[in-house]
Amino acid sequence: GAVVSQHPSRVICKSGTSVKIECRSLDFQATTMFWYRQFPKKSLMLMATSNEGSKATYEQGVEKDKFLINHASLTLSTLTVTSAHPEDSSFYICSALGLAGGPEQFFGPGTRLTVL
Amino acid sequence: GENVEQHPSTLSVQEGDSAVIKCTYSDSASNYFPWYKQELGKGPQLIIDIRSNVGEKKDQRIAVTLNKTAKHFSLHITETQPEDSAVYFCAASRTTDSWGKFQFGAGTQVVVTP
Repeated sequence: GAVVSQHPSRVICKSGTSVKIECRSLDFQATTMFWYRQFPKKSLMLMATSNEGSKATYEQGVEKDKFLINHASLTLSTLTVTSAHPEDSSFYICSALGLAGGPEQFFGPGTRLTVL
Repeated sequence: GENVEQHPSTLSVQEGDSAVIKCTYSDSASNYFPWYKQELGKGPQLIIDIRSNVGEKKDQRIAVTLNKTAKHFSLHITETQPEDSAVYFCAASRTTDSWGKFQFGAGTQVVVTP
């Protein structure tokens, strides 16, 4: 149980375009999902907390107009990187908290974004 | 806010030996401490966790110990195997607020040589 999927797993786009990444909890409902960014050989950096039915909460230094987050249902959160630039290239990972109220976060497999 | 330090950054062990990774945290209100294993190009996988009301937890070859007074916790892997090679991250969180946001350590690259 507690499987989280991400789509796509890998995306290459041109500078200036927007890219949407989906995060789904497959066998449980998640009121809260988190979006992380990870640079090569570095730790996970929390970008934002996504709560179903309400606006996302962004960490300091993360541009909310650049990284649009929508959590429209208990099983789906999306991250849209708008007007992507090469510096946005990174590994983006989502995680989900289970409805049972436990503290465990279950991570997706990640999405590798490359902006040319 | 919370600050988590993790050591060592890299760890090479011979197959069959034990591996120990240590983390310290700064926020005395942190009460949940998970450990994640991340293989190259994949998302982190929860391998074991411990809550502040417990001092030690074991699951087969993996164990975690917590010293609340000293604010440190450690991951112990016994009888290491080549498939244990990965990056391991510790994390700390407060379950009572901020939706239980995690503060991660910097990670430890573990290499198990046959």
